[in-house]
Amino acid sequence: EPEVTQTPSHQVTQMGQEVILRCVPISNHLYFYWYRQILGQKVEFLVSFYNNEISEKSEIFDDQFSVERPDGSNFTLKIRSTKLEDSAMYFCASSRGTGGAFFGQGTRLTVV
Amino acid sequence: TQLLEQSPQFLSIQEGENLTVYCNSSSVFSSLQWYRQEPGEGPVLLVTVVTGGEVKKLKRLTFQFGDARKDSSLHITAAQPGDTGLYLCAGEGGRSNYQLIWGAGTKLIIKP
Repeated sequence: EPEVTQTPSHQVTQMGQEVILRCVPISNHLYFYWYRQILGQKVEFLVSFYNNEISEKSEIFDDQFSVERPDGSNFTLKIRSTKLEDSAMYFCASSRGTGGAFFGQGTRLTVV
Repeated sequence: TQLLEQSPQFLSIQEGENLTVYCNSSSVFSSLQWYRQEPGEGPVLLVTVVTGGEVKKLKRLTFQFGDARKDSSLHITAAQPGDTGLYLCAGEGGRSNYQLIWGAGTKLIIKP
């Protein structure tokens, strides 16, 4: 069964460093998303991506964040200068449109 | 602000008992999705309900969408320890076409 895959599963980085989280969405899906979940808290929407551009972003997704779909397969989230409060599980998801999104296993980002 | 409120937040019952989890909002959604999340993993889509009053069954799980498309319930019959997990509802197509609005989840523990 097709699935969303994310790498790495765990990333530890120093404050101020750039990180790139990678995702391979399900191949026939058209909509791509990044969510994050701080330990013990709600899933929070970061950004959605459709037709090679951002369709919507939340207040969390500030200038430090960017997304890219460089090669028609990968979908990446870059955090330019990480802060301690960026520590969270980051989930990539994809969907055909409405009807439910399929999530990856997540990348645990720890900023020290 | 659109909110989805889930209740109860936490439920611990014996194997074989029945239970119902609720997801309520003052907002109308075009669809509502239920996910299950294990610790350290991404949410897994269980079902999407679209039509007001719709009932969907997935083995021992019964999902219902309210007539006004503002609320939903998940009923589990004869709960088993394997049902243990965090159950999340998420609404689609409220203020935004792209962003899922998430409930905080119901943490369910089924004791053998």
